Amino acid sequence: QLVLTQSPSASASLGASVKLTCTLSSGHSTYTIAWHQQQPEKGPRYLMKVNRDGSHNKGDGIPDRFSGSSSGAERYLTISSLQSEDEADYYCQTWGYDIRVVFGGGTKLTVL
Amino acid sequence: QLQLQESGSGLVKPSQTLSLTCAVSGGSISSGGYSWSWIRQPPGKGLEWIGYIYHSGSTDYNPSLKSRVTISEDRSKNQFSLKLSSVTAADTAVYYCARAEMDLGSPSVFDYWGQGTLVTVSS
Repeated sequence: QLVLTQSPSASASLGASVKLTCTLSSGHSTYTIAWHQQQPEKGPRYLMKVNRDGSHNKGDGIPDRFSGSSSGAERYLTISSLQSEDEADYYCQTWGYDIRVVFGGGTKLTVL
Repeated sequence: QLQLQESGSGLVKPSQTLSLTCAVSGGSISSGGYSWSWIRQPPGKGLEWIGYIYHSGSTDYNPSLKSRVTISEDRSKNQFSLKLSSVTAADTAVYYCARAEMDLGSPSVFDYWGQGTLVTVSS
C-alpha cells in the first residue's frame, strides 16, 4: 500500500527559504507527485507536479519562488523569499493503477 | 478560466443521503482526457479522495466508500453530482470537486478545484 509521509509542521522566517518533504513508502520511489497549497479557510490550489528525476511542472500563475526537486523516495517543495501569504497547509498527492489517488497528511507551514 | 462551484444540502440527518452538485464553467465536462472528482476534508483533517467520473461516463470510487457512493453527470447542464448514502457524523466534511487529467488509469494532477462546501451530518 502506498503511503505519503509529511511532517505535520514546519516554520521559517519571513524572507527566508523553506524545504518541505514528501516521502513515498517503500517500493514506490519512482512515483510522480503533485503539491497543493491550502491557505486558511480556502480550497486547495495546485502548485506543481514533481517527477522522479526532479523535473517539475508548475500550475498557471505559480510564482518562481516555488520550485520542486527529488531525491530517491523523497519529493521536495522549496519556497524561497517567504511571504506572509505562504502560511498555509501543503499537501502532496500521487496516483496510479490500483492505488488510485493518495494524499499525504499535510504540512502546516508557519511564517515567523 | 475553468471554474468549479459546489452546491447542495449543508445539513443532512444521519442515515440519509448526502447530495451535492458541481457546476463547471469555462470548459466542458465532455472534453476528452479529463476526469471529474469529489474530494472531502473533515474539519481539521486532511484530504480524502472519494471518486471520479470520466467523460465516457465511467466511474471509480475509493474502496473505503464504494458501497455508499454514486457519481453521475449531466452533460446538458455541464455539471456532475455526488450522492453518499447512509451518512453518519464521520461524513461531516468540506466537500470539494476538482478536475484532473487521467494517467495510469487514475485521476492524476488535480489542477482546478472548487471552493468547497461544508456538509454537516446531524439530527
